[in-house]
Amino acid sequence: EVQLVESGGGVVRPGGSLRLSCAASGFTFDDYGMSWVRQAPGKGLEWVSGINWNGGSTGYADSVKGRFTISRDNAKNSLYLQMNSLRAEDTALYHCASNRGGSPWNAFDIWGQGTMVTVSS
Amino acid sequence: QSALTQPASVSGSPGQSITISCTGTSSDVGGYNYVSWYQQHPGKAPKLMIYDVSNRPSGVSNRFSGSKSGNTASLTISGLQAEDEADYYCSSYTSSSTNVFGTGTKVTVL
Repeated sequence: EVQLVESGGGVVRPGGSLRLSCAASGFTFDDYGMSWVRQAPGKGLEWVSGINWNGGSTGYADSVKGRFTISRDNAKNSLYLQMNSLRAEDTALYHCASNRGGSPWNAFDIWGQGTMVTVSS
Repeated sequence: QSALTQPASVSGSPGQSITISCTGTSSDVGGYNYVSWYQQHPGKAPKLMIYDVSNRPSGVSNRFSGSKSGNTASLTISGLQAEDEADYYCSSYTSSSTNVFGTGTKVTVL
């Protein structure tokens, strides 16, 4: 079964850090680009970051550039998002998604159920 | 990285056709054929419905179709059914090497 399972969310204070993980199974992970997409409670989807199949190309939304870092470990079929200097506006459900093709600019094909990040004092 | 513009809501009766628009600029929707559409039911993860402007993934009903003209992309749902009631989002690649989503449209089946 094709599956993406996120973990690592939780409650953190403003200025704190969290590392999200996404475990992939059921498909050839290193053939595909991967992305993180978030959704604040009651709000729409927001693209956060993407990485190509071998980790050689990454992209970030302006809202997280310089604070978040995306990475992947193809040997472990895993995607990561290191989040530093967290702000209240980063509170959201964070989904990982695989892209159609090796680039993160293609459509988001498979989605995980998400992990919740809450930034609050 | 401004969000693409979608109508907040669209409604139709069962069996009717509805169209959802997604307006961007020449730096995103108008400049690339990397436009995709997603369906999201409450409490669920989004589901890919259309990719590369007009292509349907395997398993998606042919009642869903996509198109693009200039800076505006469109999703048409024909033969509207109760299970089509959901939120719909468009997405596009941008000239800044990022992706951007639309503001989202709530589809109501009357």
